[in-house]
Amino acid sequence: NAGVTQTPKFRVLKTGQSMTLLCAQDMNHEYMYWYRQDPGMGLRLIHYSVGEGTTAKGEVPDGYNVSRLKKQNFLLGLESAAPSQTSVYFCASSHQGLATYNEQFFGPGTRLTVL
Amino acid sequence: EDQVTQSPEALRLQEGESSSLNCSYTVSGLRGLFWYRQDPGKGPEFLFTLYSAGEEKEKERLKATLTKKESFLHITAPKPEDSATYLCAVQVIGGSYIPTFGRGTSLIVHP
Repeated sequence: NAGVTQTPKFRVLKTGQSMTLLCAQDMNHEYMYWYRQDPGMGLRLIHYSVGEGTTAKGEVPDGYNVSRLKKQNFLLGLESAAPSQTSVYFCASSHQGLATYNEQFFGPGTRLTVL
Repeated sequence: EDQVTQSPEALRLQEGESSSLNCSYTVSGLRGLFWYRQDPGKGPEFLFTLYSAGEEKEKERLKATLTKKESFLHITAPKPEDSATYLCAVQVIGGSYIPTFGRGTSLIVHP
């Protein structure tokens, strides 16, 4: 099992450019999440999904969009990148929220720099 | 508002010097508390889940405990390879069941 994978690992964008980050999981998890991690701020939830075709806003959703067309994939889009979106982005997945074992499994992260 | 606070922010230990990390929480109803380890440049890795006050779990040199207001991660005789950032997260009863993370404690163990 690959677990949770993220593509790409690194990316540099110019202000105003767009991009999509791809997350894939092979554990048949219902829940998937996108976080950003900044120094001193900890992990902050951007958007999450509780199942295929559903998405919801997290703590810091502005400037991002997501889609969950397939259960195993969760895409994070930046339509017009801003320097404030320079961060490390982590995708995670877990069994459904009421499951006994619902710890999150994290991907390796994508380091994004917006110039 | 649900809150999770970790202390200290950073901790430096000598190899073999035992200590504890703290995660205090203010939530309406706790369903579970999670501890994760994060190495530099990597994603967090699951360590423990605690569900009720009085519960304890151990893994090698780590022991996690839970009370009604806080959790402790005890590190006994740490080694340099225990150096990492330790994160805690709480899952609240009701709503979306999405965990809320603390900001983490950065642990450095010197040989």
